[in-house]
Amino acid sequence: GESVGLHLPTLSVQEGDNSIINCAYSNSASDYFIWYKQESGKGPQFIIDIRSNMDKRQGQRVTVLLNKTVKHLSLQIAATQPGDSAVYFCAERDLMNTGFQKLVFGTGTRLLVSP
Amino acid sequence: DGGITQSPKYLFRKEGQNVTLSCEQNLNHDAMYWYRQDPGQGLRLIYYSQIVNDFQKGDIAEGYSVSREKKESFPLTVTSAQKNPTAFYLCASSQGQGAYEQYFGPGTRLTVT
Repeated sequence: GESVGLHLPTLSVQEGDNSIINCAYSNSASDYFIWYKQESGKGPQFIIDIRSNMDKRQGQRVTVLLNKTVKHLSLQIAATQPGDSAVYFCAERDLMNTGFQKLVFGTGTRLLVSP
Repeated sequence: DGGITQSPKYLFRKEGQNVTLSCEQNLNHDAMYWYRQDPGQGLRLIYYSQIVNDFQKGDIAEGYSVSREKKESFPLTVTSAQKNPTAFYLCASSQGQGAYEQYFGPGTRLTVT
C-alpha cells in the first residue's frame, strides 16, 4: 500500500479502548474544521466536521472537540476497532488572497488498533 | 454509484517526460482540486477549479498544469519542470466554491525515475 506518513506520530490502542487524536491549528480566524481518515493506499474519507461557533459535535462513535482559546482540535473515537486503524488528518478552512477558501491539512496521526 | 475516479492507480515515468493524471467525478460538483501528498506531510494544494473553464494555482503549482473543459473532468499534467514529481496525487471535489466537505478520489501513485 501507499507509504503515507512514514514519520507520523503514532497512537497505539487496544481494541475496545477510547482513542483521542489531537490537532493544533494555526489560524485563529478559521471558521470550519474537518477530520479525515485515510487508510493505506486510499484517498481520505470524511469523518466529521465542526464550525467555529460550536465546541463539540458528535457523530457515530466519534466526537470532535474544538478549543478556540488554544487553537486545538481533538477527535475522540469510542470503542476503537481494528478497522479504525488508519492515518487521521485534521483540516482548517483558510481564506486565500484570491477570496477562495481552501482547506489546510495537518500532517496526520497514525492510529494502530491491536485486537 | 457516485464518486470520484482516478486512473491509473500506479504510474511510472522516466525523468523528462510529461504525464497526465486523470480525475473524473459524477457527483455534479462545481469545484475540483488536486493535492500532492508526501510521506510525513499533509496534503498540499496544487490547483483548484471552482467552475468549468476556470482554474487557479494553489500553493505548489510550479511544474504542473491543469484544464477544466468539462464539469466532470479535471486532468493534471506533471511536466518535466517539476523537480520532485514522485508522490501520491489526490483529486477531490466539493459541492460549491469554498472548502466545505471535499470528497476524495483513491489517488494515483506517480514514480519518476
